[in-house]
This record gives sequence, structure tokens and C-alpha cells, in this order.
Amino acid sequence: AQKVTQAQTEISVVEKEDVTLDCVYETRDTTYYLFWYKQPPSGELVFLIRRNSFDEQNEISGRYSWNFQKSTSSFNFTITASQVVDSAVYFCALSEEGYSTLTFGKGTMLLVSP
Amino acid sequence: NAGVTQTPKFQVLKTGQSMTLQCAQDMNHEYMSWYRQDPGMGLRLIHYSVGAGITDQGEVPNGYNVSRSTTEDFPLRLLSAAPSQTSVYFCASSYGTDNSPLHFGNGTRLTVT
Repeated sequence: AQKVTQAQTEISVVEKEDVTLDCVYETRDTTYYLFWYKQPPSGELVFLIRRNSFDEQNEISGRYSWNFQKSTSSFNFTITASQVVDSAVYFCALSEEGYSTLTFGKGTMLLVSP
Repeated sequence: NAGVTQTPKFQVLKTGQSMTLQCAQDMNHEYMSWYRQDPGMGLRLIHYSVGAGITDQGEVPNGYNVSRSTTEDFPLRLLSAAPSQTSVYFCASSYGTDNSPLHFGNGTRLTVT
């Protein structure tokens, strides 16, 4: 069975601080995909990134970066120089190869104050 | 492109009432699914479909029915609403078996009293 754990329920930071959101996953599959989604206060779910299990390269997109480590089954998300607009709930999710069904973590609420 | 459209956005039901949450997508996606979001629980899969005429259960299917008569539509039926079904419901779609990202609708907030 697959499982995604986001141990941080809520994180509060002050604008311009860096923040890392942790994600630990469990799966028996050798091929799998990891995702991050953002849910701003308006409620919609916004796709941020997809990573397959064979690609351990870190990825950077503007102020966002992701660190994938198979050795620790982690796929952490870092926001550099956080902004108030980054305030949202962030979900990490996992899917098996060939399936679009996602197993989600419980989410981390990030509050960025001015 | 409208993407994934869910209706209604809000709904209040009384215990025992039935209703259908509508979901339509215009991206010709084969895969469609329904999730419910509850505080502190993340998103949990209710039912999903890999194509017209094919549906399957997810993690929390009890109390819900689905059908997929067309590629575009994937309605979720509550036959006899219960307060435990108070939640925010999201419909999502994707191309299918290539692990492409899910496209989500904007959600339906359902309250059962």
C-alpha cells in the first residue's frame, strides 16, 4: 500500500524567510511518480511539479525548488524568500506507474506574514 | 478551454436526501476521478474511471455511486445523504495511463444537516 506523510501540519514564517515542506512516502513499486499541489485560500488545486522515481535531479523553478532523495524516500519542497502569496496548503502526492490515481498526504498549511 | 467544470459550487442537503454532483471536462481526458477533502485528512479518492463505461472504487466509496456514459462526464451520486458526507468534493481528470498531472475542478462544498 502507498502512503504519503507530511508531518508538518502548519508552518508560520515571516516574509522573505526560506521554508522547507517535508514529504516522506512509502511504496513497494520501483517506478512511481511524485507530485506537489498548492491549494491557495481560494480553494482550487494547482499542480506544481511531477517527478518520476528514476529522476533524482533536484529541480528549481524560480523561488521554488524540490529535493528528491530515494535513499530516504523523501521529496521535499523549499520556497526561497517566501512571500505572502505563498500562503496556502501544500499537498504531496504519489502514484504508481501507469495510473493517474493519486495518494495524497494530509497537507501542510503555510502561513507567510508580512 | 473550460477545463474541469463542477456544479454546483455549494449545496446544502438534509439527511436522507439524494443528489448528483456534476463533473464535465472538455480536454478529451480518459481518466476521471472524485476526491473528498476533509479538514486534516487531505484528499481521499472516492471513485475513478479510466474510460467510458469503466469505473472503480477508491479509498472511501461507501455511500456514493458513479457512472461514465461519455468521456466528458463523470457524475457522483449520493443516494441517501448523511452528515458524514459533509465535505468538499473535487473532480479531477487527466490523459490516463501516463501519470500525467491531474486537472482539478474548483470543488463543490456540500453540507448535510
